[in-house]
Amino acid sequence: AQSVTQLDSHVSVSEGTPVLLRCNYSSSYSPSLFWYVQHPNKGLQLLLKYTSAATLVKGINGFEAEFKKSETSFHLTKPSAHMSDAAEYFCVVTDLVTGTASKLTFGTGTRLQVTL
Amino acid sequence: GAGVSQSPSNKVTEKGKDVELRCDPISGHTALYWYRQSLGQGLEFLIYFQGNSAPDKSGLPSDRFSAERTGGSVSTLTIQRTQQEDSAVYLCASSPSYTLRNEKLFFGSGTQLSVL
Repeated sequence: AQSVTQLDSHVSVSEGTPVLLRCNYSSSYSPSLFWYVQHPNKGLQLLLKYTSAATLVKGINGFEAEFKKSETSFHLTKPSAHMSDAAEYFCVVTDLVTGTASKLTFGTGTRLQVTL
Repeated sequence: GAGVSQSPSNKVTEKGKDVELRCDPISGHTALYWYRQSLGQGLEFLIYFQGNSAPDKSGLPSDRFSAERTGGSVSTLTIQRTQQEDSAVYLCASSPSYTLRNEKLFFGSGTQLSVL
């Protein structure tokens, strides 16, 4: 079984300050982890993914996330927030056993607000 | 190239009526997913199609929900005798292959279903 917990439903930061969106996961196998972003009235877009390669993953728009197995975490960070980063962010986990169909388990989302 | 297209974008219906939601995946994508996003909730997996294989229906919440995928392309999600708790955004996603470890999902913008 797999699950993902996003610890904050809402995060507010000032423009130019760092962003931290927290995510913890539970997985029976070696997981793949993703962060998706959903801007208002737009479809979900993949930000970055971890698939058992480098534990520090860089994504689009300056975001990155670090896979920490000991802490079962995959927190999303960005050094300096921009107004355009305001959106809903979803942490996602999948247990994939090669050769079988799989599905993603989504967290409940974190709404990021960026203020001037 | 067009992305994943969903129609209608908004659907208002009366309790007890049937509704059909349509998804046009990206051409050539063999995997197609339906998710439901309720207010304040994460994405809830509904059903998954992969090529000509039998679909994974494990996420369908009741027998009022069904989906089909014709010709390995367009998919229709049908909800019979709609209830108010069915109100949500229904998201469709497609992927080039059945293995998600190195692939990403491409999401449509969703259908906002409101049951009065």
